[in-house]
Amino acid sequence: GDSVTQMEGPVTLSEEAFLTINCTYTATGYPSLFWYVQYPGEGLQLLLKATKADDKGSNKGFEATYRKETTSFHLEKGSVQVSDSAVYFCALFGSGNTGKLIFGQGTTLQVKP
Amino acid sequence: NAGVTQTPKFQVLKTGQSMTLQCAQDMNHNSMYWYRQDPGMGLRLIYYSASEGTTDKGEVPNGYNVSRLNKREFSLRLESAAPSQTSVYFCASETGSPYLAKNIQYFGAGTRLSVL
Repeated sequence: GDSVTQMEGPVTLSEEAFLTINCTYTATGYPSLFWYVQYPGEGLQLLLKATKADDKGSNKGFEATYRKETTSFHLEKGSVQVSDSAVYFCALFGSGNTGKLIFGQGTTLQVKP
Repeated sequence: NAGVTQTPKFQVLKTGQSMTLQCAQDMNHNSMYWYRQDPGMGLRLIYYSASEGTTDKGEVPNGYNVSRLNKREFSLRLESAAPSQTSVYFCASETGSPYLAKNIQYFGAGTRLSVL
């Protein structure tokens, strides 16, 4: 079945460092891909999405490109801030799926001043 | 805007006790979902409701029941709580049919449940 694999965390960075969180997926057809973010004590919220190959999703300085050839959707940000500290979830919605988002296990990011 | 509201925020139960987790959304969304979040496992779908009056099982439905009371409210019931149900529970809602990937899910702040 469909699945999403994220890099293990936690990831600890200093402020203004470059961030990459790896995400790869397994799915039949052409899934839509998402990054959700969960700030401490809150629910998840959509960060960005891409619905077809080579699409780039972007929001709040974060970017991710839908790479079908490598089945990847890595999250990047050029300069992280302390306020970016959160848990980041990669997710997919399969083309043949019946209403289910499939989530990765989440990656905790901690940014230190 | 309240968005998706879950109650309670925290709950401690003894094994065998029952309880209902409440969820309400004020965005006039058709679809609603219940997930559980466990360390290292991401979010797993328990049940979902594509529209008022319909419910369907997700990935981990055993030990749970749901009710879509009206378009706004979707409750999750644990009839006889077990320690394996210790988790953080999230409710989410979405604008339209769950068959449309373009729709985005909006999450509540979660209920942290401990079963002793």
